This record gives sequence, C-alpha cells and structure tokens, in this order.
Amino acid sequence: GESVGLHLPTLSVQEGDNSIINCAYSNSASDYFIWYKQESGKGPQFIIDIRSNMDKRQGQRVTVLLNKTVKHLSLQIAATQPGDSAVYFCAESRIALIFGKGTTLSVSS
Amino acid sequence: DAGVTQSPTHLIKTRGQQVTLRCSPKSGHDTVSWYQQALGQGPQFIFQYYEEEERQRGNFPDRFSGHQFPNYSSELNVNALLLGDSALYLCASSHNAGQDTEAFFGQGTRLTVV
Repeated sequence: GESVGLHLPTLSVQEGDNSIINCAYSNSASDYFIWYKQESGKGPQFIIDIRSNMDKRQGQRVTVLLNKTVKHLSLQIAATQPGDSAVYFCAESRIALIFGKGTTLSVSS
Repeated sequence: DAGVTQSPTHLIKTRGQQVTLRCSPKSGHDTVSWYQQALGQGPQFIFQYYEEEERQRGNFPDRFSGHQFPNYSSELNVNALLLGDSALYLCASSHNAGQDTEAFFGQGTRLTVV
C-alpha cells in the first residue's frame, strides 16, 4: 500500500554534529511533504515543509531535501543541540497527513 | 493565540464504555482532523471535518464518529471501547481543507482503556 516510511528508527549524535534523518515515500503523485518533531508527551510540531516543485528548502538550522526521482526526503539539522532530541516524522499531505513511523534522535553533550 | 487545545489531557475508561474527546482549533482555522497515535507509531488519520461535515475518513470503524460545531470546534466519539483503542488522540487544525496547508497539532488526549 501507499505509505511514508523512515529508514532508521534511531539516530544518536553528539552535540554540535550535523544530523540527517531520511524518509522514503511511495506515492509519486504526492506534492507536499512536512517534517514534524514530537517531544515526549506532546503533539507533533511543524518544522519545515516542501512542495514537489522544489528540491531544497532551508529554515533556521534545518534543511529539507526532496529527490522526486527516487522518492526520498531528508531532514538535515545543523549543529544539533540537546533540545533537538525528539522523534521526527515525515508526513505526506493528501488532505490527510500520512505519517511514517518516526526516527528517534538522541543528542548527547 | 492559544493554538490548538484538547481536553481532557488524560482519560481512563473501561472496555465497552463510550468516550468523547474535544478540540478547539487555532484561531482562524476552520478545518479539524483527528489522529490516533499508538505507542511507538506515527499518527494514523481518523477523519477530517470542514464546514461541519466529515470531509474524509481513514480506515477506522464506525465506532469512531465525530462532529464539528459552528465555531469550528470538534468532538471525537468512540463507542464500545476496546483495549486496542488505548492511544494518544491528536487533533490538528488548518485553514481551508486542502493538500498543502500547514496543520497545527494539539497536545493530545491520552486515552487508556482497561
């Protein structure tokens, strides 16, 4: 079936390193993608989005890359901080948001 | 702006009972979507309400129903609760239901069925 999934369930990095979280999607007709951050006990928080007419979008310390050829998304976090520790989800928007299972990012100082 | 607010934050129910969860959307938003998030999983879409009507529905049984009020707030009702209904229930609001509008989530309601 159609789904959005993440490559790795966990990622551990040192404070100050750059983090890369990957996501593959299967619906080639998808045209809008969002990355969410979810801290323990909280709802998902919007980080950054990208539309299919773009291949890169930058925010504050975060960059999303979209490769439509291989149906792949990535979230890059620069200078990762302990406060970045959370579960990260990519989601595909088709009126409803279709979420993957998430990657748990652990940042050690 | 209070953002998306959900109530209650936690709830314990017994199998077979019924539950109602509530959501107030972010100011200016007219669309509310509900998601179920089991432990360790991503949120799963239940349904979306726009202009007081169910606009789209995910793969959930009829035991799950909802309502949207004229002020855009929404309720999620679950009947005949099962142990497997234990989850975090999330409400998300957006402006004008569509495929590329940013959705804001509430903190969720943690439902435990015993």
